[in-house]
Amino acid sequence: SQQGEEDPQALSIQEGENATMNCSYKTSINNLQWYRQNSGRGLVHLILIRSNEREKHSGRLRVTLDTSKKSSSLLITASRAADTASYFCATDWMDTGRRALTFGSGTRLQVQP
Amino acid sequence: GAGVSQSPSNKVTEKGKDVELRCDPISGHTALYWYRQSLGQGLEFLIYFQGNSAPDKSGLPSDRFSAERTGGSVSTLTIQRTQQEDSAVYLCASSTRSMTMNTEAFFGQGTRLTVV
Repeated sequence: SQQGEEDPQALSIQEGENATMNCSYKTSINNLQWYRQNSGRGLVHLILIRSNEREKHSGRLRVTLDTSKKSSSLLITASRAADTASYFCATDWMDTGRRALTFGSGTRLQVQP
Repeated sequence: GAGVSQSPSNKVTEKGKDVELRCDPISGHTALYWYRQSLGQGLEFLIYFQGNSAPDKSGLPSDRFSAERTGGSVSTLTIQRTQQEDSAVYLCASSTRSMTMNTEAFFGQGTRLTVV
């Protein structure tokens, strides 16, 4: 099964509202990363949070990490129509059995103007 | 170029034919990943190259799939005897890697493969 699972699978909000997406994972990690994807093509990196960090900010983005619960959240504040996209979390496993980034199934965010 | 380049952008092939997908990573990036994504789904890991280490092939779905990375740079993903279920977007990414972890991955725009 997927290492990272996002919820909700889909989210629809009005412009100006905040959007919160969650990611859960199963094994110990070095870091967790969030990516954005428009139109089913290439992904763009948003933010990386290391396993010894609890919170990180980048512009309107806020990411939290709770390693005891094996979960992370991505908060987009004051959303805009241009934020409409799919958002994925990716985990970098500490276990050497899998050395690549492992992606979750994503959250599709729709921001209504 | 400045980013990860994939070719072709789109490929339509007949069932049973072989296809080759190419990825040019960012110069100097030692890690290279291949993923595939079916419509509306997440990214399915296929294969990972890191420097001179043996590649992690654990995600390849069958022996019809193989990949090479020549000279630590360009990579080719080959699918033999394509099947309709191989239809998907194939994404390549590259990154640097510290001693202990993978850093930010840069993605190409993908190759949309359609098997008819």
